[in-house]
Amino acid sequence: GAVVSQHPSWVICKSGTSVKIECRSLDFQATTMFWYRQFPKQSLMLMATSNEGSKATYEQGVEKDKFLINHASLTLSTLTVTSAHPEDSSFYICSAQRDDFSTDTQYFGPGTRLTVL
Amino acid sequence: DQQVKQNSPSLSVQEGRISILNCDYTNSMFDYFLWYKKYPAEGPTFLISISSIKDKNEDGRFTVFLNKSAKHLSLHIVPSQPGDSAVYFCAASGNSYDKVIFGPGTSLSVIP
Repeated sequence: GAVVSQHPSWVICKSGTSVKIECRSLDFQATTMFWYRQFPKQSLMLMATSNEGSKATYEQGVEKDKFLINHASLTLSTLTVTSAHPEDSSFYICSAQRDDFSTDTQYFGPGTRLTVL
Repeated sequence: DQQVKQNSPSLSVQEGRISILNCDYTNSMFDYFLWYKKYPAEGPTFLISISSIKDKNEDGRFTVFLNKSAKHLSLHIVPSQPGDSAVYFCAASGNSYDKVIFGPGTSLSVIP
């Protein structure tokens, strides 16, 4: 149990276009999901906390107008990279926090590799 | 300023030997610590955790030790296996339902 999926697993797009990444908790409900970004040879960087039914909380330095987050349901959060540029190329990972108390950790998705040409 | 530090970017260990991965943190408000394992191009997977009320937690070949006074924790893997080769992230949070702050990771290579 406790599976989190991401779609797509990889995407290549042209500079200036927008890309949407989905994060789904497949077998549990998650009021809270997190979006991370990983640069090569660097740690995961928390970008924002996504809460179902309310606005996302962005970390300092993360542009909320560029990285749009929508937590549409208890099992789905989306990250849209708007007007993508080559510097946005990265590995984006989401995680989901279970609503029940049977666990005490986050479950991570497999990640999405974004390449902006 | 990095709140969770892993000062060894890489580590090589012979198969069958013990692997020790170290982690230091600066925020005394952290009271829950986790280790994640990550293979290339995949998301990190949870490995083991420890609450600040404990100083040791063991799960099979993996043991995490916590020294709160030193703000230091370590992950021991024994015996190490080639399949353990991955990047290991140390992470900390204020409680088990708070956001998690990750360290930079240590790349472990277990040599057959």
